[in-house]
Amino acid sequence: GENVEQHPSTLSVQEGDSAVIKCTYSDSASNYFPWYKQELGKRPQLIIDIRSNVGEKKDQRIAVTLNKTAKHFSLHITETQPEDSAVYFCAASRGNTDKLIFGTGTRLQVFP
Amino acid sequence: DSGVTQTPKHLITATGQRVTLRCSPRSGDLSVYWYQQSLDQGLQFLIQYYNGEERAKGNILERFSAQQFPDLHSELNLSSLELGDSALYFCASSVAEGSYEQYFGPGTRLTVT
Repeated sequence: GENVEQHPSTLSVQEGDSAVIKCTYSDSASNYFPWYKQELGKRPQLIIDIRSNVGEKKDQRIAVTLNKTAKHFSLHITETQPEDSAVYFCAASRGNTDKLIFGTGTRLQVFP
Repeated sequence: DSGVTQTPKHLITATGQRVTLRCSPRSGDLSVYWYQQSLDQGLQFLIQYYNGEERAKGNILERFSAQQFPDLHSELNLSSLELGDSALYFCASSVAEGSYEQYFGPGTRLTVT
C-alpha cells in the first residue's frame, strides 16, 4: 500500500546549524510533496511544497529537494532558530485534490 | 489562521457515546478532508468529500461516518466510542480540481473516558 517513511524521528541541533529531514515514498504515482510544521497542540501548517516536475524549491531558510527516481525527498533548514523547534511532517499525494499520506514526523529541537 | 474552522475545540465523553465534529472549509474550497492524529498512529487520512459527495476513503472505521452539506461544511460522526478513539481530529480543505495545497483547521481534541 501507500507508505511514506521519515527519518530521523528526533533531531537536535545548535542554533545556527542546518537541519535535514528525509522521506521516502512508495507510490510511484505521487507527484506532490508538501511539508508541514506542527507546534504542540496546534494544527499542521504548510511551510513548503514541491511538485514532481521540479527538483528543488527554496523559500528563504527552507528548501526541499526531490529525487523521483529514488522516490525520496528532503527538507533542509539553514541557520536554524529556536522558533524552528516543532514536529515536521512530510507527505505525499497524487495531487489534484488527492489525500495526503503522511510520514511519522520528526521532532526538531533547536538549542540556543 | 488557515481560514478553516472546527468546533468544538475539546470534547470529553464516555465510552459507548456518539459525538459530532464540525468543520467549515475556507471560503470557496470545495474539498474537505478528515484526518486523525493519535500518538501511536501519526496523521491518518480518514475520508474526503468533494462538493457534497464522498470522494475517497482511508482507514475509517465503520463506526465513523461523515457528510458534506450544501453549504460545504462537513461533519464527522463518531459512534460507539472506545478509549482508542481518543485523538486529535483535523479537517483540511482545498480549492478545486487542479488544487494541491491542503490547509488544516485547528482540530478537535477528543478524549474518551
